[in-house]
Amino acid sequence: SQQGEEDPQALSIQEGENATMNCSYKTSINNLQWYRQNSGRGLVHLILIRSNEREKHSGRLRVTLDTSKKSSSLLITASRAADTASYFCATGLIQGAQKLVFGQGTRLTINP
Amino acid sequence: GAGVSQTPSNKVTEKGKYVELRCDPISGHTALYWYRQSLGQGPEFLIYFQGTGAADDSGLPNDRFFAVRPEGSVSTLKIQRTERGDSAMYLCASSPGTLRRNEQFFGPGTRLTVL
Repeated sequence: SQQGEEDPQALSIQEGENATMNCSYKTSINNLQWYRQNSGRGLVHLILIRSNEREKHSGRLRVTLDTSKKSSSLLITASRAADTASYFCATGLIQGAQKLVFGQGTRLTINP
Repeated sequence: GAGVSQTPSNKVTEKGKYVELRCDPISGHTALYWYRQSLGQGPEFLIYFQGTGAADDSGLPNDRFFAVRPEGSVSTLKIQRTERGDSAMYLCASSPGTLRRNEQFFGPGTRLTVL
């Protein structure tokens, strides 16, 4: 069963706008990671945030984590057509932190 | 350096046949993972190796699925008596193997179709 749920399931915005995707999870975590997947192929790791961190930045990406609400958000600023992909959050649990539990993903479309 | 590679990229087989899917992890990564992804869904964990041993195989759906990693590098996922419901993308990932660095690096996947 899926631990995380992304919201929205699909998002379509204009190039240059910011895109925000949310993820909720159910059990306590060691860390939370975001991945991108193009055209149903392999996933690309974007960013990892640990349970004792609240915010992390990487280039145009900003991730927040609220462990009290069991939620995370991924913000992509100044979106580009190349950002079109599916985005997944994945949680590393406290027990068995090595295996990741993925959500169902957000399909992001950037319109030129 | 080279990333995770998986072969074949596509596999079409008939119901009841046996298939093997191969994964070559990033050199030096001690942890290796197999996931299965159905269309429109996120990946689901199957099995995790630390070195040669299966540290967690709780995601294997039934005893038709088996995976090995005999020398702690290449891994093979084996599916016996395939069923149409086994059709999916099978993803392999590797990581350095420590909790502080368990971001996983994924291969391109093998798309399995069972007719």
